[in-house]
Amino acid sequence: EDQVTQSPEALRLQEGESSSLNCSYTVSGLRGLFWYRQDPGKGPEFLFTLYSAGEEKEKERLKATLTKKESFLHITAPKPEDSATYLCAVQAGNAGNMLTFGGGTRLMVKP
Amino acid sequence: KAGVTQTPRYLIKTRGQQVTLSCSPISGHRSVSWYQQTPGQGLQFLFEYFSETQRNKGNFPGRFSGRQFSNSRSEMNVSTLELGDSALYLCASSLAGGSGGNTIYFGEGSWLTVV
Repeated sequence: EDQVTQSPEALRLQEGESSSLNCSYTVSGLRGLFWYRQDPGKGPEFLFTLYSAGEEKEKERLKATLTKKESFLHITAPKPEDSATYLCAVQAGNAGNMLTFGGGTRLMVKP
Repeated sequence: KAGVTQTPRYLIKTRGQQVTLSCSPISGHRSVSWYQQTPGQGLQFLFEYFSETQRNKGNFPGRFSGRQFSNSRSEMNVSTLELGDSALYLCASSLAGGSGGNTIYFGEGSWLTVV
Protein backbone atom coordinates (compact mmCIF):
# COMPACT_ATOMS: atom_id res chain seq x y z
CA GLU A 1 0.00 0.00 0.00
CA ASP A 2 1.30 3.43 -0.95
CA GLN A 3 2.02 5.72 2.00
CA VAL A 4 3.00 9.37 2.35
CA THR A 5 4.05 11.01 5.62
CA GLN A 6 4.68 14.73 5.96
CA SER A 7 6.55 16.47 8.75
CA PRO A 8 6.25 18.61 10.66
CA GLU A 9 2.46 18.85 10.92
CA ALA A 10 2.77 22.57 11.65
CA LEU A 11 5.60 25.05 11.33
CA ARG A 12 5.87 28.63 12.51
CA LEU A 13 8.54 30.83 10.98
CA GLN A 14 9.51 34.44 11.22
CA GLU A 15 9.56 36.34 7.98
CA GLY A 16 12.93 35.69 6.33
CA GLU A 17 13.63 32.52 8.33
CA SER A 18 14.35 29.73 5.84
CA SER A 19 13.30 26.14 6.51
CA SER A 20 12.39 22.81 4.89
CA LEU A 21 9.31 20.62 4.83
CA ASN A 22 9.70 16.85 4.57
CA CYS A 23 7.68 14.27 2.64
CA SER A 24 8.57 10.60 3.14
CA TYR A 25 6.96 8.03 0.87
CA THR A 26 6.68 4.36 0.01
CA VAL A 27 5.14 3.59 -3.35
CA SER A 28 5.02 0.82 -5.92
CA GLY A 29 6.93 2.31 -8.82
CA LEU A 30 6.93 6.07 -8.41
CA ARG A 31 5.57 7.80 -11.48
CA GLY A 32 5.53 11.30 -10.00
CA LEU A 33 5.71 13.18 -6.71
CA PHE A 34 3.53 16.25 -6.52
CA TRP A 35 3.62 19.32 -4.28
CA TYR A 36 0.55 21.50 -3.82
CA ARG A 37 -0.25 24.59 -1.79
CA GLN A 38 -3.72 24.90 -0.26
CA ASP A 39 -5.18 28.05 1.24
CA PRO A 40 -8.12 27.82 3.67
CA GLY A 41 -11.40 27.12 1.90
CA LYS A 42 -9.75 26.61 -1.50
CA GLY A 43 -8.62 23.74 -3.67
CA PRO A 44 -4.98 22.65 -3.88
CA GLU A 45 -2.84 24.80 -6.16
CA PHE A 46 -0.22 22.94 -8.19
CA LEU A 47 3.41 23.78 -7.42
CA PHE A 48 5.74 21.05 -8.73
CA THR A 49 5.99 17.51 -10.07
CA LEU A 50 9.22 15.56 -9.60
CA TYR A 51 9.80 12.32 -11.50
CA SER A 52 13.18 10.85 -10.57
CA ALA A 53 15.70 10.90 -7.72
CA GLY A 54 18.07 13.82 -7.94
CA GLU A 55 15.59 16.08 -9.70
CA GLU A 56 15.10 19.62 -8.40
CA LYS A 57 12.60 22.33 -9.34
CA GLU A 58 12.33 25.95 -8.24
CA LYS A 59 9.63 28.59 -8.20
CA GLU A 60 10.22 31.94 -6.54
CA ARG A 61 11.13 31.19 -2.90
CA LEU A 62 10.34 27.48 -3.18
CA LYS A 63 12.63 24.64 -4.20
CA ALA A 64 11.60 20.98 -4.31
CA THR A 65 14.04 18.07 -4.29
CA LEU A 66 13.57 14.31 -4.57
CA THR A 67 15.42 11.22 -3.35
CA LYS A 68 14.35 7.57 -3.57
CA LYS A 69 12.60 7.78 -0.19
CA GLU A 70 11.70 11.41 0.42
CA SER A 71 11.17 14.86 -0.96
CA PHE A 72 11.93 18.22 0.57
CA LEU A 73 10.28 21.57 -0.03
CA HIS A 74 12.79 24.26 0.85
CA ILE A 75 11.42 27.74 1.57
CA THR A 76 13.96 30.51 1.35
CA ALA A 77 13.34 33.85 3.11
CA PRO A 78 9.57 33.23 3.43
CA LYS A 79 7.01 36.01 3.48
CA PRO A 80 3.65 36.10 5.28
CA GLU A 81 1.88 35.37 1.98
CA ASP A 82 3.62 31.97 1.92
CA SER A 83 1.43 30.92 4.86
CA ALA A 84 -0.67 27.94 3.72
CA THR A 85 -0.90 24.17 3.99
CA TYR A 86 1.59 22.39 1.76
CA LEU A 87 0.55 18.98 0.50
CA CYS A 88 2.70 16.20 -0.92
CA ALA A 89 1.27 13.38 -3.04
CA VAL A 90 2.58 10.39 -5.00
CA GLN A 91 1.37 8.85 -8.22
CA ALA A 92 2.09 5.12 -8.43
CA GLY A 93 3.14 3.16 -11.46
CA ASN A 94 -0.11 1.46 -12.41
CA ALA A 95 -2.70 3.68 -10.76
CA GLY A 96 -3.64 6.05 -13.55
CA ASN A 97 -3.94 9.59 -12.23
CA MET A 98 -4.74 8.53 -8.66
CA LEU A 99 -2.77 10.48 -6.07
CA THR A 100 -2.03 9.36 -2.50
CA PHE A 101 -1.68 12.38 -0.24
CA GLY A 102 0.18 13.04 2.97
CA GLY A 103 -1.47 14.87 5.84
CA GLY A 104 0.09 18.21 4.92
CA THR A 105 2.24 20.77 6.72
CA ARG A 106 0.55 23.96 7.97
CA LEU A 107 3.01 26.79 7.53
CA MET A 108 2.58 30.12 9.30
CA VAL A 109 4.98 32.95 8.53
CA LYS A 110 4.86 35.84 10.97
CA PRO A 111 5.91 39.35 9.93
CA LYS B 1 -7.62 29.30 -20.03
CA ALA B 2 -10.40 28.33 -17.62
CA GLY B 3 -9.48 26.07 -14.73
CA VAL B 4 -11.38 23.16 -13.24
CA THR B 5 -14.93 24.29 -12.44
CA GLN B 6 -17.01 22.70 -9.72
CA THR B 7 -20.64 23.34 -8.90
CA PRO B 8 -22.26 23.98 -6.55
CA ARG B 9 -19.66 25.56 -4.28
CA TYR B 10 -21.68 25.18 -1.11
CA LEU B 11 -24.65 23.06 -0.19
CA ILE B 12 -26.48 21.79 2.85
CA LYS B 13 -28.35 18.49 2.80
CA THR B 14 -30.30 16.44 5.33
CA ARG B 15 -29.36 12.92 6.40
CA GLY B 16 -30.86 10.33 4.09
CA GLN B 17 -31.00 12.64 1.08
CA GLN B 18 -28.81 12.31 -1.98
CA VAL B 19 -26.56 14.86 -3.67
CA THR B 20 -25.02 15.32 -7.10
CA LEU B 21 -21.87 17.36 -7.63
CA SER B 22 -20.60 18.50 -11.00
CA CYS B 23 -17.12 19.04 -12.43
CA SER B 24 -16.03 20.58 -15.72
CA PRO B 25 -12.35 19.79 -16.40
CA ILE B 26 -9.88 22.04 -18.14
CA SER B 27 -10.56 22.14 -21.87
CA GLY B 28 -8.90 19.18 -23.58
CA HIS B 29 -8.42 17.19 -20.37
CA ARG B 30 -9.89 13.70 -20.50
CA SER B 31 -9.10 12.40 -17.02
CA VAL B 32 -11.22 13.47 -14.05
CA SER B 33 -10.67 12.32 -10.47
CA TRP B 34 -12.66 12.97 -7.31
CA TYR B 35 -11.36 13.35 -3.76
CA GLN B 36 -12.92 13.82 -0.34
CA GLN B 37 -11.16 16.12 2.13
CA THR B 38 -11.95 16.13 5.84
CA PRO B 39 -9.97 17.48 8.82
CA GLY B 40 -9.56 13.99 10.26
CA GLN B 41 -8.75 11.94 7.15
CA GLY B 42 -7.14 14.49 4.86
CA LEU B 43 -7.46 14.06 1.11
CA GLN B 44 -8.75 10.64 0.07
CA PHE B 45 -9.20 9.36 -3.46
CA LEU B 46 -12.74 8.45 -4.49
CA PHE B 47 -12.51 7.47 -8.17
CA GLU B 48 -11.04 8.37 -11.55
CA TYR B 49 -12.69 8.49 -14.95
CA PHE B 50 -10.95 8.50 -18.28
CA SER B 51 -12.80 8.53 -21.59
CA GLU B 52 -16.12 7.83 -19.81
CA THR B 53 -14.75 4.71 -18.05
CA GLN B 54 -14.05 4.37 -14.36
CA ARG B 55 -10.43 3.37 -14.14
CA ASN B 56 -9.66 3.44 -10.42
CA LYS B 57 -11.78 3.41 -7.29
CA GLY B 58 -10.88 4.22 -3.69
CA ASN B 59 -12.13 2.58 -0.51
CA PHE B 60 -15.52 4.19 -0.21
CA PRO B 61 -18.92 2.52 0.12
CA GLY B 62 -21.17 1.99 -2.86
CA ARG B 63 -23.22 5.06 -1.87
CA PHE B 64 -20.53 7.04 -3.64
CA SER B 65 -20.74 6.83 -7.41
CA GLY B 66 -19.75 8.84 -10.42
CA ARG B 67 -19.85 9.09 -14.15
CA GLN B 68 -18.20 10.92 -17.00
CA PHE B 69 -19.85 12.26 -20.12
CA SER B 70 -18.56 12.34 -23.68
CA ASN B 71 -17.46 15.97 -23.25
CA SER B 72 -15.32 14.87 -20.23
CA ARG B 73 -17.56 16.62 -17.72
CA SER B 74 -18.11 14.49 -14.65
CA GLU B 75 -20.64 14.12 -11.88
CA MET B 76 -20.44 12.34 -8.56
CA ASN B 77 -23.41 11.24 -6.53
CA VAL B 78 -23.73 10.37 -2.87
CA SER B 79 -26.91 8.59 -1.85
CA THR B 80 -28.40 8.13 1.62
CA LEU B 81 -26.26 10.89 3.09
CA GLU B 82 -24.71 10.45 6.52
CA LEU B 83 -23.34 13.11 8.87
CA GLY B 84 -19.82 11.80 8.20
CA ASP B 85 -20.16 12.67 4.52
CA SER B 86 -19.76 16.35 5.40
CA ALA B 87 -16.57 17.33 3.61
CA LEU B 88 -14.93 19.30 0.85
CA TYR B 89 -15.26 17.35 -2.40
CA LEU B 90 -12.52 18.11 -4.87
CA CYS B 91 -12.33 17.39 -8.57
CA ALA B 92 -9.01 17.11 -10.40
CA SER B 93 -8.35 17.01 -14.12
CA SER B 94 -5.42 15.89 -16.20
CA LEU B 95 -4.61 15.87 -19.87
CA ALA B 96 -4.13 12.18 -20.47
CA GLY B 97 -4.27 8.72 -19.11
CA GLY B 98 -1.79 8.68 -16.24
CA SER B 99 1.27 7.53 -18.07
CA GLY B 100 3.35 10.11 -16.29
CA GLY B 101 4.37 13.60 -17.17
CA ASN B 102 0.88 15.00 -16.74
CA THR B 103 0.11 17.82 -14.36
CA ILE B 104 -2.98 17.25 -12.24
CA TYR B 105 -5.03 20.37 -11.48
CA PHE B 106 -7.69 20.77 -8.81
CA GLY B 107 -10.86 22.78 -8.69
CA GLU B 108 -11.98 24.91 -5.74
CA GLY B 109 -14.22 22.16 -4.43
CA SER B 110 -17.80 21.72 -3.32
CA TRP B 111 -18.45 22.13 0.39
CA LEU B 112 -21.10 19.65 1.53
CA THR B 113 -22.66 19.91 4.95
CA VAL B 114 -25.01 17.13 6.07
CA VAL B 115 -27.35 18.01 8.94
